[in-house]
Amino acid sequence: AQKVTQAQTEISVVEKEDVTLDCVYETRDTTYYLFWYKQPPSGELVFLIRRNSFDEQNEISGRYSWNFQKSTSSFNFTITASQVVDSAVYFCALSEEDAGNMLTFGGGTRLMVKP
Amino acid sequence: KAGVTQTPRYLIKTRGQQVTLSCSPISGHRSVSWYQQTPGQGLQFLFEYFSETQRNKGNFPGRFSGRQFSNSRSEMNVSTLELGDSALYLCASSPGTSNEQFFGPGTRLTVL
Repeated sequence: AQKVTQAQTEISVVEKEDVTLDCVYETRDTTYYLFWYKQPPSGELVFLIRRNSFDEQNEISGRYSWNFQKSTSSFNFTITASQVVDSAVYFCALSEEDAGNMLTFGGGTRLMVKP
Repeated sequence: KAGVTQTPRYLIKTRGQQVTLSCSPISGHRSVSWYQQTPGQGLQFLFEYFSETQRNKGNFPGRFSGRQFSNSRSEMNVSTLELGDSALYLCASSPGTSNEQFFGPGTRLTVL
């Protein structure tokens, strides 16, 4: 069965610090998809990135970057030069090819960026 | 393009009652999924509908049901409400399979 683990339940940093959110997953499928979502205090989940299991290339989008390593079953997310607006709960999620759009979420990491 | 909309945004019910939540997906999206979010259990998948057919179901009792209409709008129903059903119910839409899913603002259900 699939599983996603986000070991860091809460992280606190000071503005402009870099921060990495860890995500470890388990799946028996060879084809799967990994996601990151942001949930600000308003409650709506905001899509950040989707990565399929055959694409291990790291990705950078502005201050955000993602490191996907199949060898360690990890899909970590780094925010460079954090800002107060980055404060939110971040979720890593997994979907398997044969499971339609069913997402299995990790427990989430609450990031607090202090000014 | 308008995002995913959910109605109502807030709901208060008492134990034993039933409730219906509604979700309108992004125009053109055929898949609608429902999730329950609680502090204790986190985000859990309820079910997914694709072209009016339930494609997948999570591990929830039969009191939780859903349906999808021909215009892709979806409803979920919870019967015989229990205190533990208090949660944020999130709906997500997607154009197909294994694509990114876009979430609505959620319906916060409180059961007294």
